[in-house]
Amino acid sequence: GAVVSQHPSWVICKSGTSVKIECRSLDFQATTMFWYRQFPKQSLMLMATSNEGSKATYEQGVEKDKFLINHASLTLSTLTVTSAHPEDSSFYICSAQGTEGAHYYGYTFGSGTRLTVV
Amino acid sequence: AQKVTQAQTEISVVEKEDVTLDCVYETRDTTYYLFWYKQPPSGELVFLIRRNSFDEQNEISGRYSWNFQKSTSSFNFTITASQVVDSAVYFCALSESPLNDYKLSFGAGTTVTVRA
Repeated sequence: GAVVSQHPSWVICKSGTSVKIECRSLDFQATTMFWYRQFPKQSLMLMATSNEGSKATYEQGVEKDKFLINHASLTLSTLTVTSAHPEDSSFYICSAQGTEGAHYYGYTFGSGTRLTVV
Repeated sequence: AQKVTQAQTEISVVEKEDVTLDCVYETRDTTYYLFWYKQPPSGELVFLIRRNSFDEQNEISGRYSWNFQKSTSSFNFTITASQVVDSAVYFCALSESPLNDYKLSFGAGTTVTVRA
C-alpha cells in the first residue's frame, strides 16, 4: 500500500527559529499534498494544499509567509514554520494524493510531527 | 459552517460493551466520500473506512460496523465488544470533491475510553 513518510516525528525549537517538516511519498508520485494542523484535543484543520511545481493554496487565516510550503518534486513536500512562536506548537500532519501506474492513491497520511516551541 | 458534526465529545465504556459513534455531515454535492479514522495517543491517523455517496450498504469489518443513511446524512460507527486497545480519538471526515481532490473536512472527534 501507499506510504507517506513524515519527519521528524517530534521537534522542540526555540522561539524565533525556523523548523522544517518533510513528507515523502515512498511508493507513489504525490501530485498533491495537504498539510493539516491539530492543536491539543482539537480536530485536524487544513492549512494548505500544494500541487507539485505550483504555489501552495492556503486556507483562510493561515499565514503563507509564516508557513512556507515547497512541493518541488513528486515525492517530497516540505513545510517550514518560520520564526516559530509558542502558539505554533501543534501537531502537523501531511496527506498525499497521487498515482503510481494505474493506481490512484488518496487520503494517505504521514505519521505526524509534534512541534513544541519554547 | 461545520460540515461534519460529531456530537459526542467523550464516551467511556467497560470492556466488551458496544459503543456507537455518531457522525452527521452536510453537503450539497451528489458525489462525496465519507471516512472514519482512528487516532491513538501516538498521534498517527489510522484509516478505518471510506464510503462513497452512492453506496449506502452497511459494512461490517470484524468488530467494526458502519451505518450509512443518506436520508439523515449520517454515517455512524459501531465498535462491538470493545477492547482496551480501542481507546482512541475517532474522527469522521468528509471529502466533497470529485476523485482528483482529496481535501478532507474533519469532525471534532470523539474520544473513546475503554476501561478494563
